[in-house]
Amino acid sequence: SQTIHQWPATLVQPVGSPLSLECTVEGTSNPNLYWYRQAAGRGLQLLFYSVGIGQISSEVPQNLSASRPQDRQFILSSKKLLLSDSGFYLCAWRSGGDRRDEQFFGPGTRLTVL
Amino acid sequence: AQSVTQPDIHITVSEGASLELRCNYSYGATPYLFWYVQSPGQGLQLLLKYFSGDTLVQGIKGFEAEFKRSQSSFNLRKPSVHWSDAAEYFCAVGSALNFGNEKLTFGTGTRLTIIP
Repeated sequence: SQTIHQWPATLVQPVGSPLSLECTVEGTSNPNLYWYRQAAGRGLQLLFYSVGIGQISSEVPQNLSASRPQDRQFILSSKKLLLSDSGFYLCAWRSGGDRRDEQFFGPGTRLTVL
Repeated sequence: AQSVTQPDIHITVSEGASLELRCNYSYGATPYLFWYVQSPGQGLQLLLKYFSGDTLVQGIKGFEAEFKRSQSSFNLRKPSVHWSDAAEYFCAVGSALNFGNEKLTFGTGTRLTIIP
């Protein structure tokens, strides 16, 4: 069966520090991968998605970047965190091709920027 | 652009009572609609989804939702809630991305509290 992991589960970082959040998927190959963010009082917003190694699409301009160095690994990064980067970050995967395929979500990372 | 509105931030119901969570969407084409549930400290789990056909959709855990195109709504219902249903519920609308991909636009969520 497929599983999705995210770490760390929680993170507290000072403003201006770098960030690296990792997401890995097991039990599937060539998944579509997604990063979402949930800010306080707002719905989940799609940040990035990837259909393959090295292929990253950004949905919104921001202080963050994403990379996919391996088929089942998706990394969210920042060089200098802002207060507005605080939130709950969720990684998700789905098998490709059919829009009706379900997206499966990881447990999330809660990031607090102070 | 697509959007989802969940007008109720927080709802409290008694165990055994019926439940309806409201969701309104805005989307230019025929929508793909979803309800997800998030328990504390956990990721999102899909409850049900609507793509086409029968407008009353059955999901897991005894939930159902009805798609009403004229009202742009996709309300979630359960006839009798259990204490384990306490969680946050998210409605989402799907829209097409490149490469046959799908983007989910979520509402802000409704937090459900169950009282004995």
